[in-house]
Amino acid sequence: GAVVSQHPSRVICKSGTSVKIECRSLDFQATTMFWYRQFPKQSLMLMATSNEGSKATYEQGVEKDKFLINHASLTLSTLTVTSAHPEDSSFYICSARGVPDNEQFFGPGTRLTVL
Amino acid sequence: GQNIDQPTEMTATEGAIVQINCTYQTSGFNGLFWYQQHAGEAPTFLSYNVLDGLEEKGRFSSFLSRSKGYSYLLLKELQMKDSASYLCAVVSDDYKLSFGAGTTVTVRA
Repeated sequence: GAVVSQHPSRVICKSGTSVKIECRSLDFQATTMFWYRQFPKQSLMLMATSNEGSKATYEQGVEKDKFLINHASLTLSTLTVTSAHPEDSSFYICSARGVPDNEQFFGPGTRLTVL
Repeated sequence: GQNIDQPTEMTATEGAIVQINCTYQTSGFNGLFWYQQHAGEAPTFLSYNVLDGLEEKGRFSSFLSRSKGYSYLLLKELQMKDSASYLCAVVSDDYKLSFGAGTTVTVRA
């Protein structure tokens, strides 16, 4: 199957700093990438949909100025958590969707801890 | 909006069979996925159904009834390594995935 990587896998930062998470599709071109957040013992919640070359579409309740998404190429999307706070601590997972399948391939996730 | 329901927890014995049900009410339908997720890891793909009926893949099978808004994942010959969370996810008209809360399956010896 297709491979999606995420970097870093774990990050610990101080409150008020910004953190960038990269999501890469390694062996296919992803027209669309999705960013999810998962809190302990909860399911994945879609944060935003990222299409190459256009602005991301954010789900209701997700602050677009806080969670900056850039999809500069067909293989790379980045999520930047700006001015992170402890409540932003979560497991962030990206997925990539190729064409023509509906299947989404998930990255391994990034564990963010904000102190 | 999307509404996807699945049981919170299930427990079964090694070697047994467990069926995880999922009911959904969504705006549009372009298929249903089942994923397995171990603690601290990303979900891994198990199955995809877009037409009614049963899809069998080894020890795992998945069933879909679009008219009833219903699916189930059947795990046979349970092994200890099958202890995990199982997520039902529906693809809506805009190809977004909406996830259920997940079913934690515990396999006991």
